[in-house]
Order: sequence, then C-alpha cells, then structure tokens
Amino acid sequence: DSGVTQTPKHLITATGQRVTLRCSPRSGDLSVYWYQQSLDQGLQFLIQYYNGEERAKGNILERFSAQQFPDLHSELNLSSLELGDSALYFCASSVAYSGGLYGYTFGSGTRLTVV
Amino acid sequence: KNEVEQSPQNLTAQEGEFITINCSYSVGISALHWLQQHPGGGIVSLFMLSSGKKKHGRLIATINIQEKHSSLHITASHPRDSAVYICAPEVDSNYQLIWGAGTKLIIKP
Repeated sequence: DSGVTQTPKHLITATGQRVTLRCSPRSGDLSVYWYQQSLDQGLQFLIQYYNGEERAKGNILERFSAQQFPDLHSELNLSSLELGDSALYFCASSVAYSGGLYGYTFGSGTRLTVV
Repeated sequence: KNEVEQSPQNLTAQEGEFITINCSYSVGISALHWLQQHPGGGIVSLFMLSSGKKKHGRLIATINIQEKHSSLHITASHPRDSAVYICAPEVDSNYQLIWGAGTKLIIKP
C-alpha cells in the first residue's frame, strides 16, 4: 500500500454518463495530481491541487473537472463520457507543491471503461 | 522533437544480464524521477535525482546535469524486474513532470 488510495479500482459506464473518481493522498501530503493514461500511451498530466487550491492545469478537457476538499482528498469528475475517455486514471501526491523535495507517491489507479 | 527521449523503447534480456535504460531531456530541471509501472498498472517511484548517483538494491540511477542525461541500471536482472520504466524530469520553471514514453523491459528466465 503506497498510502495513496484511489476508488473505485474499476469502473464501467456508458457513453454520455458522468462519473466521479476519488483520491485520498498520503498522510501529510498537500498536493494531489491527476494523470490519464490511455491504452499504450504515456501519462498525460490533467491537473494539480495544492492545499485546496488549483495550482497547475494540463491537458484537461472542459468535460472534466476536479476539486480538493478541506480534508485534502480530491475528486475528478468526468462528464458526457466518450469511448475515448476509457483509460487508467492515476492520482499522485507529494508533500509540497512539487515532488522535487521528497518525491511523489502514486495510487494504484482507476481503470475506466466507457462502453 | 520530444522534450524527453528514452531508449530503448523495448528491451528483452535473459535473467542475470546487466540492464541499462537511457533518458535524455532538453529542458532545465529541478529533479528527475525514475518510475516503474507493472503490468497490473500500478506505478512505483524508484528514484528522485538532482545530481550524481543513487543506489537501491540492484537498481542504480545516475544523472549528468550538464549533458542532460540520466541512466537507470539493473544488475543481476530477474523476471520480476519485467515492467515499464519511465523517466520523468521535473521542469525547473514550473515544477511539472514531463514524461518519457517508457521502456518496456522483459526479463526471461
């Protein structure tokens, strides 16, 4: 167990639907990062939150949104789902606003299948 | 041109062989991370480097900041080392990670 908890582990849903992925960071970590990994693709950075505030945004679609709550857990909301949204979604956490001091800890991912 | 280049893309070796995976990058960095992704999908952080060399068990990572190059070595490779190894430099201007395409390593018994 890495200390980063992602739920659910697997999710199958239909096109047009909306889903919420949840991430609890490692205890003491203030930053949460969301990444998307499509089949046979590298990781794509979606968004980062630091202590409740959005810190950086990557290639995140307008249909996607995220937030970090006061208890530091984060949720990634994916709406109007398309077949191409099928991917492995990773959450990572770090102590500070970057991982350059103490590194990153990754969750085990949520595998989303859109049918 | 990609900001991060990893080589080789695929590597198959026999158990016991010495493995080297290379990573070149073109941006200024504050640190460089080596990650391992197993077939099940989970990602594990192996090393974080800002200079020199680090060793953890059979794994060794080196970085040459001037040449913008890092290597990951595996000594006495074992089938359980089979995974995708990813190089991820952290850009010094915004502290974001940029991702290499990964090296798929297969170690045969």
